[in-house]
Amino acid sequence: AQTVTQSQPEMSVQEAETVTLSCTYDTSESDYYLFWYKQPPSRQMILVIRQEAYKQQNATENRFSVNFQKAAKSFSLKISDSQLGDAAMYFCAYRSALRETSGSRLTFGEGTQLTVNP
Amino acid sequence: KAGVTQTPRYLIKTRGQQVTLSCSPISGHRSVSWYQQTPGQGLQFLFEYFSETQRNKGNFPGRFSGRQFSNSRSEMNVSTLELGDSALYLCASSHRGGLNEQFFGPGTRLTVL
Repeated sequence: AQTVTQSQPEMSVQEAETVTLSCTYDTSESDYYLFWYKQPPSRQMILVIRQEAYKQQNATENRFSVNFQKAAKSFSLKISDSQLGDAAMYFCAYRSALRETSGSRLTFGEGTQLTVNP
Repeated sequence: KAGVTQTPRYLIKTRGQQVTLSCSPISGHRSVSWYQQTPGQGLQFLFEYFSETQRNKGNFPGRFSGRQFSNSRSEMNVSTLELGDSALYLCASSHRGGLNEQFFGPGTRLTVL
């Protein structure tokens, strides 16, 4: 079974600064997908960024980028130019590419609560 | 395009009762997944339905069940409620598997007294 670990329960950053959230995972599979989701106080889960394991290039979405290290099974999220609206709980998630056995099932980490200070 | 909707948004039940939660996916989406979110256990996968068939199931007791209708709407049922079933129940829909993005609903907050 796959596991996802986020070792930082809480992080804080000053507005306009950069912050990196850590995520490690464990799997015996070679093909999979990794995601970062954001959950603001409204509890609405929002996809921030995704990475396909077979792609070596790190994904980037505007101010959000990842550092994907497949051999180390590490998938960190970097938020640049932090904004007050970035304050939320961030979850790292894993999904197998084996659709027949795993379907769309997501395995989540414990989450990192990000505070953005003005 | 309307997002994923979940009803009701809030529920209060007592131990021993049963409850049914509903999820309407985004139009055209055939996959619906359910998750339970609690402070202690985090986000845990309950089950997934695709084209009216349960495709995957998490490690929950048989008191938790679900189904999907021909219009892709899904319901989950919890029988003989326990205090530990108090949680936020999230539903997510996607067009199909692969890298297709899963869109989450706002959740149903269930409180068991």
